[in-house]
Amino acid sequence: QQQVKQSPQSLIVQKGGISIINCAYENTAFDYFPWYQQFPGKGPALLIAIRPDVSEKKEGRFTISFNKSAKQFSLHIMDSQPGDSATYFCAASMNNFNKFYFGSGTKLNVKP
Amino acid sequence: EAQVTQNPRYLITVTGKKLTVTCSQNMNHEYMSWYRQDPGLGLRQIYYSMNVEVTDKGDVPEGYKVSRKEKRNFPLILESPSPNQTSLYFCASIQTRGNTEAFFGQGTRLTVV
Repeated sequence: QQQVKQSPQSLIVQKGGISIINCAYENTAFDYFPWYQQFPGKGPALLIAIRPDVSEKKEGRFTISFNKSAKQFSLHIMDSQPGDSATYFCAASMNNFNKFYFGSGTKLNVKP
Repeated sequence: EAQVTQNPRYLITVTGKKLTVTCSQNMNHEYMSWYRQDPGLGLRQIYYSMNVEVTDKGDVPEGYKVSRKEKRNFPLILESPSPNQTSLYFCASIQTRGNTEAFFGQGTRLTVV
């Protein structure tokens, strides 16, 4: 049973558009929600992360929206660029650093 | 430069032939972890280590072993590889002081025939 469910599996967005990727979780003990970006042939790299005491975190064109009551969080990429084309993973962990539970990934393709 | 180094990057082997994938980090992290990445399944944890000589199973440990004799190294051992272990493997080193972050290696693509 997957602890973190991610959608969509793939996403095509025009340059300049908004990319939105959604994740949902069940375990209310999770207290750290990172997003990772992975380019082909590379390992995932941390993009942005949020803790459940805030509802939104913004870093440049990337924003995480967090809805604690719905147990959902999403990544918004504003003004999407072809260089953003990558696979994105949401994840969740508890306060013990032992384990990150990853979503199944979203392959984003930003068309010029 | 902060790095997690995995070797080899690519490996094709035959069923039953023991192999080791090495992982080394230069950040003095206590926590390290191994994941496998399969299409549609994301990254699934195989084993993790909280410090030297302290390891434990993740979600998919069957067919794998690990050891942590030194803080910087965390090798993944497949004693008798089988075709269902064909996958992309990632080692991660986890920063726990300040901002929590998992640093991943470049990955090892393993094919077992």
